[in-house]
Amino acid sequence: KAGVTQTPRYLIKTRGQQVTLSCSPISGHRSVSWYQQTPGQGLQFLFEYFSETQRNKGNFPGRFSGRQFSNSRSEMNVSTLELGDSALYLCASSLVLVTLPFQETQYFGPGTRLLVL
Amino acid sequence: AQKITQTQPGMFVQEKEAVTLDCTYDTSDPSYGLFWYKQPSSGEMIFLIYQGSYDQQNATEGRYSLNFQKARKSANLVISASQLGDSAMYFCAMRGDTGRRALTFGSGTRLQVQP
Repeated sequence: KAGVTQTPRYLIKTRGQQVTLSCSPISGHRSVSWYQQTPGQGLQFLFEYFSETQRNKGNFPGRFSGRQFSNSRSEMNVSTLELGDSALYLCASSLVLVTLPFQETQYFGPGTRLLVL
Repeated sequence: AQKITQTQPGMFVQEKEAVTLDCTYDTSDPSYGLFWYKQPSSGEMIFLIYQGSYDQQNATEGRYSLNFQKARKSANLVISASQLGDSAMYFCAMRGDTGRRALTFGSGTRLQVQP
């Protein structure tokens, strides 16, 4: 079974531009979560999608948004890029265990490294 | 709120020796899951092992085992017979039973295996 895929793997943008990152989950996984990883802040949760609906959102400004499609693929968008948005963006997918959600294991993609100049 | 603490920024271990990476957690959720991930320099987070709060036995997966002490709120990862390929960042993470699927991560431990 193919793992989580993320495109593009590397991206260089300038301040003020916008960017869209894509994530394809493992087949059968309907939940997709996004994380930002920086040396200073570590791993921070951005948002989670399930059944094309955003279920949870982390403490990020409105410039960060996302969506999920009917095939569970997800995209995240960052508008008006700032230097501080330079990070590794990780996507993770999981099965949805309705009765025991704390047992769900998230499987991560290789990440997209974004550099904002 | 949940919190994960990893107090070892870096660790060294000799090849073929065992190493323990520390993780303590704090949560008010009655049920929760604890996870360990490995992140090589390539960046991908690789799932290693899972421990449920109600599991009676410590989890094991090949060379990885989890030393779970619920009363002390610790979930240490033990890697036996270290290999050079084990050199990476290791993250402890948890999720409670509030319905939020987001994982709370610790700051990580960088493990370096020396030949």
